[in-house]
Amino acid sequence: AQSVTQLDSQVPVFEEAPVELRCNYSSSVSVYLFWYVQYPNQGLQLLLKYLSGSTLVESINGFEAEFNKSQTSFHLRKPSVHISDTAEYFCAVKVSVSNFGNEKLTFGTGTRLTIIP
Amino acid sequence: GAGVSQSPSNKVTEKGKDVELRCDPISGHTALYWYRQSLGQGLEFLIYFQGNSAPDKSGLPSDRFSAERTGGSVSTLTIQRTQQEDSAVYLCASSQGGWGTHSYEQYFGPGTRLTVT
Repeated sequence: AQSVTQLDSQVPVFEEAPVELRCNYSSSVSVYLFWYVQYPNQGLQLLLKYLSGSTLVESINGFEAEFNKSQTSFHLRKPSVHISDTAEYFCAVKVSVSNFGNEKLTFGTGTRLTIIP
Repeated sequence: GAGVSQSPSNKVTEKGKDVELRCDPISGHTALYWYRQSLGQGLEFLIYFQGNSAPDKSGLPSDRFSAERTGGSVSTLTIQRTQQEDSAVYLCASSQGGWGTHSYEQYFGPGTRLTVT
């Protein structure tokens, strides 16, 4: 079974400051990794994903995440945050080998990012 | 194009009543998922459909919960004899793929907020 740990339930950050949201996972098999974002009163949206290849992945709005296999981590970072980044962020994993029955995402408990003007 | 839609957006029901929640996936998506988002449990997987079959229903919390999918499209999640602990936001997601293949991105609907009084 897989599990995801997001140790920080809430992260307040001043506008234009950098931020790192931590995600660690546990799995006995190889996984794909995802960050989803949920803006206030909206549904979940995929922010970025790691499937294979370069361990550093980027989103269109300035977030990046780095897959670290040895530390089983997939931390999310942004060098300068904006008010519009206020949201809840969820890290998720999915096993990378499909056998029809293991397509589900396993989510962390989420990190609420609050940007302080 | 149209995204995943869910109805109703909000549902208030009395303890002991049955409820049905509906999900319309993105047209052409063969995989459909139900998740539950609650304060105490975070985001939990409930059931996964590939076409009209459910290869993974491991997340259904009790036999009061059931789901079906017809025509490889619309899905209905039914909760019988609702309890207060069933109060949560029920999320539906869909993705491309078929037998032997899988798509990595799940597209989420806005959810149905269920309140059991």
